[in-house]
Amino acid sequence: SQQGEEDPQALSIQEGENATMNCSYKTSINNLQWYRQNSGRGLVHLILIRSNEREKHSGRLRVTLDTSKKSSSLLITASRAADTASYFCATDNAGNNRKLIWGLGTSLAVNP
Amino acid sequence: DGGITQSPKYLFRKEGQNVTLSCEQNLNHDAMYWYRQDPGQGLRLIYYSQIVNDFQKGDIAEGYSVSREKKESFPLTVTSAQKNPTAFYLCASTTGTGSNQPQHFGDGTRLSIL
Repeated sequence: SQQGEEDPQALSIQEGENATMNCSYKTSINNLQWYRQNSGRGLVHLILIRSNEREKHSGRLRVTLDTSKKSSSLLITASRAADTASYFCATDNAGNNRKLIWGLGTSLAVNP
Repeated sequence: DGGITQSPKYLFRKEGQNVTLSCEQNLNHDAMYWYRQDPGQGLRLIYYSQIVNDFQKGDIAEGYSVSREKKESFPLTVTSAQKNPTAFYLCASTTGTGSNQPQHFGDGTRLSIL
């Protein structure tokens, strides 16, 4: 079952611009994770944010979490062509905390 | 280097044939997962295992089988009962048994029908 819904489904920007992707979810969570997937490759973990955190940074990445709105955003600043990938959010499952529930992803294209 | 190795990278299945996808990790992780990814879709959980000799069905287990005889290995068999097996298969592992840790992924196996 899918819980996370990323928005937009696809995003195309120029190098140097910022990219913002959003993730909404339905149930209460303990944490939310963001992953990147380059074409034809496995997923790479980017950031995990816990439900008691509001914002987290890692290099050019900034993740926010609003549990009252059941939503999260991933901001990539000063984007590069190498940031071209699909980005997925995943949440834990309140009923079974051994599994992640995945969104459908946002496809980001950064044009040089 | 520690990581997860999936093989083969590409696999072709004939009608009525069972095929096995390999997943090996040297991260000393307890939990391992198999996901299926269809074009433009997110990940759907097939099976997962928290400990050796134990595994649980995920959301789309029908037509698949797994074993977990060693901590490092979690092979997935796509049986002939899986009528639409064409997809990208991803194996992942994580430390601990909960969903509060990052998952580490292999580079996938792309399965196609001949």
